[in-house]
Amino acid sequence: EDKVVQSPLSLVVHEGDTVTLNCSYEVTNFRSLLWYKQEKKAPTFLFMLTSSGIEKKSGRLSSILDKKELFSILNITATQTGDSAVYLCAVGSAGGTSYGKLTFGQGTILTVHP
Amino acid sequence: DTGVSQNPRHKITKRGQNVTFRCDPISEHNRLYWYRQTLGQGPEFLTYFQNEAQLEKSRLLSDRFSAERPKGSFSTLEIQRTEQGDSAMYLCASSPGGNYGYTFGSGTRLTVV
Repeated sequence: EDKVVQSPLSLVVHEGDTVTLNCSYEVTNFRSLLWYKQEKKAPTFLFMLTSSGIEKKSGRLSSILDKKELFSILNITATQTGDSAVYLCAVGSAGGTSYGKLTFGQGTILTVHP
Repeated sequence: DTGVSQNPRHKITKRGQNVTFRCDPISEHNRLYWYRQTLGQGPEFLTYFQNEAQLEKSRLLSDRFSAERPKGSFSTLEIQRTEQGDSAMYLCASSPGGNYGYTFGSGTRLTVV
């Protein structure tokens, strides 16, 4: 069964700090790894990673995938209170009728204090 | 409206009652997914459709759960004889074909009392 584990489960920091969120996975027929941000409602898409070692960046957020060691990290620099959210990691597998289905981790709750 | 729409936003029901949720995906998206999320957990896959065909169904989906997408547009998820363990957020998402960057709706929060 596919499995995604995130750490830490929760993190409290002050504005301006840099944080690193971790995601490890075990999945058959890996296709891609995705990061989502979830505030009070629906998860919103951040990044999709398919190739090892290539960093994706968007403003203060960046992410990288290591397919050999089966993990990814999400970095947020110069954190702001608006970054407070649950960050979800998900892995997509390919093959058969599983194409399109995502397996999510339990999420990391990030709280940024002013 | 260009997003994924879910109704109702909240539903409180008594144990044993049937409930039905609706999802309207982004109009050009042919794939539609249902997930369930409980407090402190990530979303868990329930089922997905490509157009009107239900292509995969999770083992989590007992025979009390049924989903339909009759014309390949909106979808409904019905839970019969609800149990307290069914209390969760039910999320719908859609995507344009084989694309993982799917768009989630705001969810329907079900509380079974």
